[in-house]
Amino acid sequence: DSGVTQTPKHLITATGQRVTLRCSPRSGDLSVYWYQQSLDQGLQFLIQYYNGEERAKGNILERFSAQQFPDLHSELNLSSLELGDSALYFCASSVGLPGSSYEQYFGPGTRLTVT
Amino acid sequence: AQSVTQLDSQVPVFEEAPVELRCNYSSSVSVYLFWYVQYPNQGLQLLLKYLSGSTLVKGINGFEAEFNKSQTSFHLRKPSVHISDTAEYFCAALNTGGFKTIFGAGTRLFVKA
Repeated sequence: DSGVTQTPKHLITATGQRVTLRCSPRSGDLSVYWYQQSLDQGLQFLIQYYNGEERAKGNILERFSAQQFPDLHSELNLSSLELGDSALYFCASSVGLPGSSYEQYFGPGTRLTVT
Repeated sequence: AQSVTQLDSQVPVFEEAPVELRCNYSSSVSVYLFWYVQYPNQGLQLLLKYLSGSTLVKGINGFEAEFNKSQTSFHLRKPSVHISDTAEYFCAALNTGGFKTIFGAGTRLFVKA
């Protein structure tokens, strides 16, 4: 158990819909990362937050957005869903402080199926 | 790091044989290097990391990796694999002082009896 929790575990929805994925980082971790993993694209970094602010952006579509709240939990919002958005979405957290080792602790993932 | 390349997408190996999973990175600055493992239906977990110091790094489950600065490589090795090592392995790099960890495409290790 990494200490990172993600809800829900599974999500099935229809094209065009909007969903919200939730992540709670390990206690004390200030950074949260979101990744998308699919068979054809592999593991793709989406976005990183540090202490409530966006720190780095990866291959995140404009239809996707995220935020980190004052209690450090994070939400990833996916809208206008397409079949190709079906994937495993992972959240990870790290201490994120300068001088720390920046290793990431991954949650169990949310499996999104768009039908 | 600008990129991380894992040279093999799949590595089949017999149980108790040695294995090496290859990783090369490109970066114009110093990097931290990581290997993560993903077992079926699970998230990634850290196997080992190189931050500085000794270039030979030991991790969990009997794995080790060697940092080679001149060859910009960080290959993962295990002298004798078990069936339970069947998983996907990801190499990752982070520029020291940077924020964005770059992951390789992954190598699927398949251990056969």
